Amino acid sequence: GENVEQHPSTLSVQEGDSAVIKCTYSDSASNYFPWYKQELGKRPQLIIDIRSNVGEKKDQRIAVTLNKTAKHFSLHITETQPEDSAVYFCAATSSASKIIFGSGTRLSIRP
Amino acid sequence: SAVISQKPSRDICQRGTSLTIQCQVDSQVTMMFWYRQQPGQSLTLIATANQGSEATYESGFVIDKFPISRPNLTFSTLTVSNMSPEDSSIYLCSVKRSSHHYEQYFGPGTRLTVT
Repeated sequence: GENVEQHPSTLSVQEGDSAVIKCTYSDSASNYFPWYKQELGKRPQLIIDIRSNVGEKKDQRIAVTLNKTAKHFSLHITETQPEDSAVYFCAATSSASKIIFGSGTRLSIRP
Repeated sequence: SAVISQKPSRDICQRGTSLTIQCQVDSQVTMMFWYRQQPGQSLTLIATANQGSEATYESGFVIDKFPISRPNLTFSTLTVSNMSPEDSSIYLCSVKRSSHHYEQYFGPGTRLTVT
């Protein structure tokens, strides 16, 4: 079955700097890669996703990249702000399969 | 995205008792799931709630402990039975519009504490 590895487990960056979170997956059949943001005490929120027919997707300050050959995908947050502080989860799936989540990255933004 | 609500939002229960958590969606969805999130951990799938048939449980989760109902396309319940302190966790409902859709959304969760 699918296995998703996520790194780092914690990340602290200066406000205004960029943050990068990396994930790898094992199942070559996976074709959908969502990212969720979970603020303290809140539900996981889908913030961006990418499908396997696309190499990169951007939405304002966040972007995701996918390398299908290497089975790597990454989340990039530029110009970080205090409200970016949260736990971020990557995940992998195909449409008819269950989502497999990474272990999460706790991102802290230093003022 | 669908609007998902859960009841109760939190509860404190005594060991040996059971709690039923409700999940309501504002539109019909084919796929509903129940997850557990232990403190500081990732999301673990308990089961897929199937409308009109028995739920599909993941490894390590059994129907006697976590019975699930799915009477229609907008509602599901998860019961945590014969609770112990190890069941203290957040339980989240999640939905996908259909098996042909990719996006999956989460309810606000139910924070359960077992004493």
